[in-house]
Amino acid sequence: DAGVTQSPTHLIKTRGQQVTLRCSPKSGHDTVSWYQQALGQGPQFIFQYYEEEERQRGNFPDRFSGHQFPNYSSELNVNALLLGDSALYLCASSSTITRGQGSYNEQFFGPGTRLTVL
Amino acid sequence: LAKTTQPISMDSYEGQEVNITCSHNNIATNDYITWYQQFPSQGPRFIIQGYKTKVTNEVASLFIPADRKSSTLSLPRVSLSDTAVYYCLVGGNTGFQKLVFGTGTRLLVSP
Repeated sequence: DAGVTQSPTHLIKTRGQQVTLRCSPKSGHDTVSWYQQALGQGPQFIFQYYEEEERQRGNFPDRFSGHQFPNYSSELNVNALLLGDSALYLCASSSTITRGQGSYNEQFFGPGTRLTVL
Repeated sequence: LAKTTQPISMDSYEGQEVNITCSHNNIATNDYITWYQQFPSQGPRFIIQGYKTKVTNEVASLFIPADRKSSTLSLPRVSLSDTAVYYCLVGGNTGFQKLVFGTGTRLLVSP
């Protein structure tokens, strides 16, 4: 099992450009969440996809959009890039199958995509 | 979601036990306490989760007092490879859970 994979690993863009980041969830997982992590900060929740629809959204502008495909993989799109969008973008996958009392539906994170906006 | 407070940084030496305490005064009845570990340029990794009392796995122990307003992550006999940022989170435990990270505790283990 390859776990959660993300591509590309690194990306350099200039202000105003658009970027697409990709995520493949862990085998058996049907939910994908995206997080942004600025240097020295904890990850911040962007949004979550389940059944190809956005289920939850954090406090991020509409420039941030996403998509989930029938195979559960997901894309994060950011339009009109700003310098402040430079960060590590993390994808996490989880399963919505509820386990017994005391169990935990762990979210597995990928290695992230390092985006630099110049 | 309940907010958490934990020390910004801690220092230790190889072979020592490290205890990182997290405060979560506004924890809800159905909230769980979860700890993640993160190495530089990697995604966070689940360490341990608990609801009350004590939980132990092969990596760490988690102590939760009866009022659940705080918790302590205990790492036995740390090694250099335990140098990382440790995050304490509170919230539900479903696959839909939105994880709310603080700034975490930076643990530095020295020889």
